[in-house]
Amino acid sequence: DTAVSQTPKYLVTQMGNDKSIKCEQNLGHDTMYWYKQDSKKFLKIMFSYNNKELIINETVPNRFSPKSPDKAHLNLHINSLELGDSAVYFCASSPHITRTGNEQFFGPGTRLTVL
Amino acid sequence: AQTVTQSQPEMSVQEAETVTLSCTYDTSESDYYLFWYKQPPSRQMILVIRQEAYKQQNATENRFSVNFQKAAKSFSLKISDSQLGDAAMYFCAYRTPQTGANNLFFGTGTRLTVIP
Repeated sequence: DTAVSQTPKYLVTQMGNDKSIKCEQNLGHDTMYWYKQDSKKFLKIMFSYNNKELIINETVPNRFSPKSPDKAHLNLHINSLELGDSAVYFCASSPHITRTGNEQFFGPGTRLTVL
Repeated sequence: AQTVTQSQPEMSVQEAETVTLSCTYDTSESDYYLFWYKQPPSRQMILVIRQEAYKQQNATENRFSVNFQKAAKSFSLKISDSQLGDAAMYFCAYRTPQTGANNLFFGTGTRLTVIP
């Protein structure tokens, strides 16, 4: 009965490859996110999706593309991987955007290592 | 742009003692939300406590409480009766109430060690 799940948990790949990380939430939430946590533990928003529409896209290289086949899924595709892409990527979800301080529920993270 | 600062990269506390983690933020908004998240070695991000800026009363969740000073833009976390399971990275986070901008801005984190 995992709330937010990500696959895989660990991903090791060569520079230049294309990879995907999958995220699924079974909470019925409307909004999903991708965060990147670098080697210094700094967490930064990459994307957020509300009802399958991208509503925020921070300054992320266009090699990164979120894809949401339905409200419960937000996958992250990364093309032409670079060494600097090595990080832990977190998926999160929250209820529909309102003025209340809705909690974001995080997945377990995917540790991506680019060799 | 909103920024969140955690000036203590590492803190330690004796088991059963109390520790306070600091957080300051910069914003021009009057209404917003603040959160403390805990990240244990398992990497899972767990919400510890939240505070709504328009509420003057400090939030409390069991052994966790905050000292919210809106004028000073300060949001510290107090952990009472520290337990070994409290050892983790703690992140302070800010969220704007603006529609269409629901993402969190995180501080750089404080690593808390609990000494038996």
